[in-house]
Amino acid sequence: KQEVTQIPAALSVPEGENLVLNCSFTDSAIYNLQWFRQDPGKGLTSLLLIQSSQREQTSGRLNASLDKSSGRSTLYIAASQPGDSATYLCAVHSNSGYALNFGKGTSLLVTP
Amino acid sequence: DADVTQTPRNRITKTGKRIMLECSQTKGHDRMYWYRQDPGLGLRLIYYSFDVKDINKGEISDGYSVSRQAQAKFSLSLESAIPNQTALYFCATSDSRTGRGYTFGSGTRLTVV
Repeated sequence: KQEVTQIPAALSVPEGENLVLNCSFTDSAIYNLQWFRQDPGKGLTSLLLIQSSQREQTSGRLNASLDKSSGRSTLYIAASQPGDSATYLCAVHSNSGYALNFGKGTSLLVTP
Repeated sequence: DADVTQTPRNRITKTGKRIMLECSQTKGHDRMYWYRQDPGLGLRLIYYSFDVKDINKGEISDGYSVSRQAQAKFSLSLESAIPNQTALYFCATSDSRTGRGYTFGSGTRLTVV
């Protein structure tokens, strides 16, 4: 079974800092990996989708990388803002799986 | 309008009651899923459906049932609700033809008292 781990579980940074969120997975045979944002008590908003053949994806201040061989993905947030405060979830669709496997998320707080 | 719509948004029900959570989508996706989210446990898959005639159990299906009434509709039922089914429930869709990732609904917060 694919296990997805996110480190750190929580992170607090001052506004303006660049930061990295980490995601690791145990089975490198993946179809794709997706990063989501979740605000408290709300739904999941897709941020970036990386297909297995890709190394990275970028959207605005966000950049996600994928290293299948080492079972890792990182989400880089540049010039963080208080509005970035949320929980960030990493989810993996394995080749052998039938749905997404989620990490438990990183709770991010960006202070003014 | 949202691509994936869940109803109700919030629901409080009593132990032993039957309750149905509904999901509809306008994405045209063939695959639909139900997840539940609990603090500290993350999102876990309850049931998934790859088309109207294909329904499968996920990792935590006990106490739940589903119905895929049409390609665009997938409902989740709790036959006899119990307090440990209190959670945030999400419906999701994906398209097997494009592999362009999953779309989630806004969730249903269910409280069983």
